[in-house]
Amino acid sequence: EPEVTQTPSHQVTQMGQEVILRCVPISNHLYFYWYRQILGQKVEFLVSFYNNEISEKSEIFDDQFSVERPDGSNFTLKIRSTKLEDSAMYFCASSVGTEVSQFFGPGTRLTVL
Amino acid sequence: EDQVTQSPEALRLQEGESSSLNCSYTVSGLRGLFWYRQDPGKGPEFLFTLYSAGEEKEKERLKATLTKKESFLHITAPKPEDSATYLCAVQGEYSSASKIIFGSGTRLSIRP
Repeated sequence: EPEVTQTPSHQVTQMGQEVILRCVPISNHLYFYWYRQILGQKVEFLVSFYNNEISEKSEIFDDQFSVERPDGSNFTLKIRSTKLEDSAMYFCASSVGTEVSQFFGPGTRLTVL
Repeated sequence: EDQVTQSPEALRLQEGESSSLNCSYTVSGLRGLFWYRQDPGKGPEFLFTLYSAGEEKEKERLKATLTKKESFLHITAPKPEDSATYLCAVQGEYSSASKIIFGSGTRLSIRP
């Protein structure tokens, strides 16, 4: 069964460093998303991406964040200068359309020291 | 403001003891309501999508129902492997690629 994959599973970084989280969405899906979940809190929407551009972003997704689809299979989230409060699980998701189910990857645990 | 509230926060059941989880929602123009299962340290696993009041979906021991204000996830004769956090989420008419708003979840624990 097709699934969303994410790498790495765990990333440890120093405050102020740049990190890139990688995702391979399900191959026939057209809509891509990033969410995050701080330990013990709700899953929060960050950004949605369609047709090589951002469709919607939350107030969390500030200038420190960017997304890119560098080729036909990968979807990346870059955090330019990490802060302690960026420590969280980051989930990538994808869907065929906008009114159907979003399928989530296993997540990347980001720890900022 | 769109909102999703789940209750109870935690539920402990004996194996075989049926129960229901509640999801109350407020959203402008519901496009869909979703149920996910999340195991510790893992990503949400899709269970059901419901689109309109009166709709029901079933999968093994789980059945999801939807009204205009809430959704229920009914668990019939649960087994220990059903232990997980169950997340409810809604999608409203925000944009062309709509975000999902999640509730805080119900942590379900099934004792053998």
